[in-house]
Amino acid sequence: EVQLVESGGGLVQPGGSLRLSCAASGFTFSSYAMTWVRQAPGKGLEWVSTISGSGGNTNYADSVKGRFTISRDNSKNTLYLQMDSLRAEDTALYSCAKDRTTVTTYWFDPWGQGTPVTVSS
Amino acid sequence: EVVLTQSPATLSLSPGERATVSCRASQSVSSYLAWYQQKPGQAPRLLIYDASNRATGIPARFSGSGSGTDFTLTISSLEPEDFAVYYCQQRRNWPLTFGGGTKVEIK
Repeated sequence: EVQLVESGGGLVQPGGSLRLSCAASGFTFSSYAMTWVRQAPGKGLEWVSTISGSGGNTNYADSVKGRFTISRDNSKNTLYLQMDSLRAEDTALYSCAKDRTTVTTYWFDPWGQGTPVTVSS
Repeated sequence: EVVLTQSPATLSLSPGERATVSCRASQSVSSYLAWYQQKPGQAPRLLIYDASNRATGIPARFSGSGSGTDFTLTISSLEPEDFAVYYCQQRRNWPLTFGGGTKVEIK
């Protein structure tokens, strides 16, 4: 069974940093692109970033480009999101998601339950 | 950026009724559209990809149609567990974008 478990969220002051992790199991992690999606409280879904299976290709939403860095450690089956220069508008539940197939489709299946990030002074 | 506009925002229906949710794209996304279901406190679940293909384990009462700019998610006969929020998503252009969501609630 595929499992994705996020961690690392919490309360941080504006301008601060956090590193989120997503521990994956139940599939060959290195064969799949992985994605971070966030959901602000009571709001819809917002794509944040995607990384290829090898880690060699990354994409970011304009709202986080230059502040967030996606990475992965395929030896540890773990996905990361380094978040710097955090703003109040980054407050959200951050979820990781696996691509549907080994040929990257950018369809997300399944998703983790998410880790909450609150940016506030 | 491709803007996805979902309608209606809320759909009030009874179990057994047919649900139709619309997603309109600001420019053509070909057939590169997916639908997700999200229940309160749960992660989204992929229902439909490439506009009309059901994901693994998704019941046949869920169907998707459309191409270009106009797409529809249909639930042929609502089951109690289908009351949830539904989102569309496109992958034709960067950035990947989601619609604002449609809540299907019990009437």
